[in-house]
Amino acid sequence: AQKVTQAQTEISVVEKEDVTLDCVYETRDTTYYLFWYKQPPSGELVFLIRRNSFDEQNEISGRYSWNFQKSTSSFNFTITASQVVDSAVYFCALSEGANGGSQGNLIFGKGTKLSVKP
Amino acid sequence: DTGVSQNPRHKITKRGQNVTFRCDPISEHNRLYWYRQTLGQGPEFLTYFQNEAQLEKSRLLSDRFSAERPKGSFSTLEIQRTEQGDSAMYLCASSPSLYAEDSNQETQYFGPGTRLLVL
Repeated sequence: AQKVTQAQTEISVVEKEDVTLDCVYETRDTTYYLFWYKQPPSGELVFLIRRNSFDEQNEISGRYSWNFQKSTSSFNFTITASQVVDSAVYFCALSEGANGGSQGNLIFGKGTKLSVKP
Repeated sequence: DTGVSQNPRHKITKRGQNVTFRCDPISEHNRLYWYRQTLGQGPEFLTYFQNEAQLEKSRLLSDRFSAERPKGSFSTLEIQRTEQGDSAMYLCASSPSLYAEDSNQETQYFGPGTRLLVL
């Protein structure tokens, strides 16, 4: 069965601290896609990154970086030098490949609420 | 290029009433998804359209729920005889078909959601 686990329910940091949000996934497919979304208080889910299962390169985008490790089924997200505007709920999500019969619907974790205090 | 829009943004209704929500996807996105999100949870898949065809429904979509996408553009989600347990945020997402080899890798872009409260 497919599953995404975000064990950290809430994290609170002080501005400029680095913070890592954990994501562990389960799937039997060899082809799958992983995503991170940000949900600020306004409610709209904002896409941050997509990663394919066959591409284990880590990625950095400004203060954001992602560490994908297939060996541990993890796709962790790090914010460097956090800012108050980073305060939001962050969701990790999984989509399985079409060859496995999936229609591409996203399977979300429960989210991690990040609070960055000034 | 405008994003996904949803109307209304908020809806308060009494138990037993019918409600209808609308989603306008990003222009030329041929996939459209509906999700439901309850407090403290991640979004859960409800149903999916490829153009005007409804290709999959989740077990969460009881027979009181119906969704349409008549011309492959906007979509509506109707809930009949609402129950208090239907109170949630209803999210719509759309995705393009840029990757011929596996469309499931397409990024889904979400609208702002419709927050439903059933009294």
